[in-house]
Amino acid sequence: GAVVSQHPSWVICKSGTSVKIECRSLDFQATTMFWYRQFPKQSLMLMATSNEGSKATYEQGVEKDKFLINHASLTLSTLTVTSAHPEDSSFYICSAKRGDRVFYNEQFFGPGTRLTVL
Amino acid sequence: QKEVEQNSGPLSVPEGAIASLNCTYSDRGSQSFFWYRQYSGKSPELIMFIYSNGDKEDGRFTAQLNKASQYVSLLIRDSQPSDSATYLCAVNRLTNAGKSTFGDGTTLTVKP
Repeated sequence: GAVVSQHPSWVICKSGTSVKIECRSLDFQATTMFWYRQFPKQSLMLMATSNEGSKATYEQGVEKDKFLINHASLTLSTLTVTSAHPEDSSFYICSAKRGDRVFYNEQFFGPGTRLTVL
Repeated sequence: QKEVEQNSGPLSVPEGAIASLNCTYSDRGSQSFFWYRQYSGKSPELIMFIYSNGDKEDGRFTAQLNKASQYVSLLIRDSQPSDSATYLCAVNRLTNAGKSTFGDGTTLTVKP
């Protein structure tokens, strides 16, 4: 299998503060990682694609200055929610794609981070 | 039309029955197909992937792919209450930077 971890699993913060979420692939090298957001009872929404060593590619409508993504190594990507507001409260999930599985492209998901902004 | 369509459900089956989950996709260039299971409040987990026409079996799960009809399905035999979850269908093409397109999911309830 392929294990992806996320930290923290949940966070509560005050409005206006910034929150950093880490996503790590524990037993494989992830050339590409993805960040999703999911509101209760709604489907996954892709926010951005993160490639090691290059700038993230954001989906339409996602503010890149608000959701800062850094993919500094083949096993770590971070998402920073800057100046968080209550409407940013959501379930943030990362996934990673194995570098040696170019054709199959299956994604392995982290356990998610539940963000609550007061 | 959505790129990946699934019946939203909920789909309810009795314990021990076969659950059939269906998915259609619009991009004929799609090359690999995935089924993920998501329990309430949890993140998705990969159940199966398939890339050739036909059936692929793994334990109680069978994925079926028909590229001509642009249709992929997941059969769950001997359904258990622990199979109650939302099942997400995802499709991928090599040229799409590794991104998969997800359906909105079908919620399955297996009643004891």
